[in-house]
Amino acid sequence: GQQLNQSPQSMFIQEGEDVSMNCTSSSIFNTWLWYKQDPGEGPVLLIALYKAGELTSNGRLTAQFGITRKDSFLNISASIPSDVGIYFCFGTGRRALTFGSGTRLQVQP
Amino acid sequence: GAGVSQTPSNKVTEKGKYVELRCDPISGHTALYWYRQSLGQGPEFLIYFQGTGAADDSGLPNDRFFAVRPEGSVSTLKIQRTERGDSAVYLCASSSTSGGEGEQFFGPGTRLTVL
Repeated sequence: GQQLNQSPQSMFIQEGEDVSMNCTSSSIFNTWLWYKQDPGEGPVLLIALYKAGELTSNGRLTAQFGITRKDSFLNISASIPSDVGIYFCFGTGRRALTFGSGTRLQVQP
Repeated sequence: GAGVSQTPSNKVTEKGKYVELRCDPISGHTALYWYRQSLGQGPEFLIYFQGTGAADDSGLPNDRFFAVRPEGSVSTLKIQRTERGDSAVYLCASSSTSGGEGEQFFGPGTRLTVL
């Protein structure tokens, strides 16, 4: 099946810093979604991307759908303590629904 | 309710037993998905329903796993002869978009522990 490589695996940053994480694949996806998961809860949708090259923002979050349709990145600006959690990319394609392995974000106040 | 709900929130069972996990999707969502999430990993796709039918069950690991959605709303994931390796969080998601693509909204999950 299709595999997603998500990096970095974890990040420890200071409050106020910007954060960037990305996912790459050897296969093409039609949709890229980014989710955040807190302990003991289900993933919560942050941003959805539907077109190659699309750049979308949601508050302090910005995500892009790579032009080759094989990658996506998520940026978080001016991080705050409540940004702590695990971030997952999620690609959907022809008979493929694939999550990345996650980026664990810790924010030091 | 407003979101996806799953019951029970926790289930502890013994090896070899049968378990059922329930998912109530967002009202009106025609697509429903089951995923399994092991500790420290991303969710893994199990099965996708469009309406009452399983549109894609390619993620079910073996024939001990089965899911139904008889009326196109609530779904039940059934696991026979549970094994310790089945221990994980089972997540359900629903979507108003068909075709397996589009925004999916997740429930809180059921944590299954097989002793």
